[in-house]
Amino acid sequence: EVQLVESGGGLAQPGGSLRLSCAASGFTFSDHYMDWVRQAPGKGLEWVGRIRKKTNSYTTEYAASVKGRFIVSRDDSKNSLYLQMNSLKTEDTAVYYCARVRESENYSFDYWGQGTLVTVSS
Amino acid sequence: DIQMTQSPSSLSASVGDRVTVSCRASQAIRNDLAWYQQKPGKAPKRLIYAASNLQSGVPSRFSGSGSGTEFTLTISSLQPEDFATYYCLQHNSYPLTFGGGTKVEIK
Repeated sequence: EVQLVESGGGLAQPGGSLRLSCAASGFTFSDHYMDWVRQAPGKGLEWVGRIRKKTNSYTTEYAASVKGRFIVSRDDSKNSLYLQMNSLKTEDTAVYYCARVRESENYSFDYWGQGTLVTVSS
Repeated sequence: DIQMTQSPSSLSASVGDRVTVSCRASQAIRNDLAWYQQKPGKAPKRLIYAASNLQSGVPSRFSGSGSGTEFTLTISSLQPEDFATYYCLQHNSYPLTFGGGTKVEIK
């Protein structure tokens, strides 16, 4: 069974940093691109970023709203995905989800974690 | 960026009704579109991928159609467990973008 479990959310101050983790199980993590998606309270879904797999040099893509502040990384030996969030703004307050990407389905995502809440406030 | 315009933003329907949700892309995206269902406090769940392919385990009352810029999600006979918010997602080009969502409520 595919499982994605996010952790690391909490309260951070504007300008501060936070690191989210996503633990994957039930599939070969290293074979998949992985994404982060967020949802501000009461709002819609916003794609945050993507990391490709080793054969694609672990390259990344980001939404303009987080580019230069957030970094997506992964550790295939630990079946884990990360989101390093720097220079946090109040508008980064959201539930953050990790999601598995399916290459065979033209890179849409199928499974999502349950999410972790990040609150940016002074 | 590709804008995804989803309509309606909300609708009220009764159990057994046929429901249609639309998504329009600001430029052609082939069939690189997925539909997700989200219930309050839960993660989204994929219903449809590649515009018209039913996700394994999803009831056959859900269907998707379209290509290019116009896409539709249809629920043929609305069930109580279908009351939720639905989102489309284009994954044709970066940044990936979602529609604004359609909240399906009980009439």
